[in-house]
Amino acid sequence: AQSVTQPDIHITVSEGASLELRCNYSYGATPYLFWYVQSPGQGLQLLLKYFSGDTLVQGIKGFEAEFKRSQSSFNLRKPSVHWSDAAEYFCAGALNNDMRFGAGTRLTVKP
Amino acid sequence: GAVVSQHPSWVICKSGTSVKIECRSLDFQATTMFWYRQFPKKSLMLMATSNEGSKATYEQGVEKDKFLINHASLTLSTLTVTSAHPEDSSFYICSALTGYNEQFFGPGTRLTVL
Repeated sequence: AQSVTQPDIHITVSEGASLELRCNYSYGATPYLFWYVQSPGQGLQLLLKYFSGDTLVQGIKGFEAEFKRSQSSFNLRKPSVHWSDAAEYFCAGALNNDMRFGAGTRLTVKP
Repeated sequence: GAVVSQHPSWVICKSGTSVKIECRSLDFQATTMFWYRQFPKKSLMLMATSNEGSKATYEQGVEKDKFLINHASLTLSTLTVTSAHPEDSSFYICSALTGYNEQFFGPGTRLTVL
């Protein structure tokens, strides 16, 4: 079955520290991959997406993600976290218009 | 990017009443829209796929008579929660599929059933 897994439910980092959020996918073929951010009570905002080509994808707000086929991963990274980055982050995979979401990772940023 | 709106953004209703939520693609046409439900501190769960001019396709376990979906035009899909009960309280999010197979999400509708 198609699925997306985010192993970390909750991550806390200090402001200014680097961040990596993990995402693994399980599909019969390589899906389109996405990272979304959701602030409390809000909808989803697309941070970045991977369809094909360059495996290092740049997104908004200083985020990037790297697609690694050998590891079935699409981890999200940011070199220096800001307090405003505190939110819920969702990884998603889509194949044939069937989009599946990971369970989400809640990011807390310490001052 | 493409914009998707939802109306209302939040609604409080009494148990037993019906609530309609609208999802509109503002600057593009969408033959396919999706409805998701999100429980507190949980991920999004796909409820159904809404296809313009035809019946919606519901995910397993979603009651189609409870959650009525109508996609009468290329820019509007509606979700009606019929005879709502407190357990239907949730955050409902729609998305619309562009011609380039990208999904754009609405801001969500918070439903509270008393």
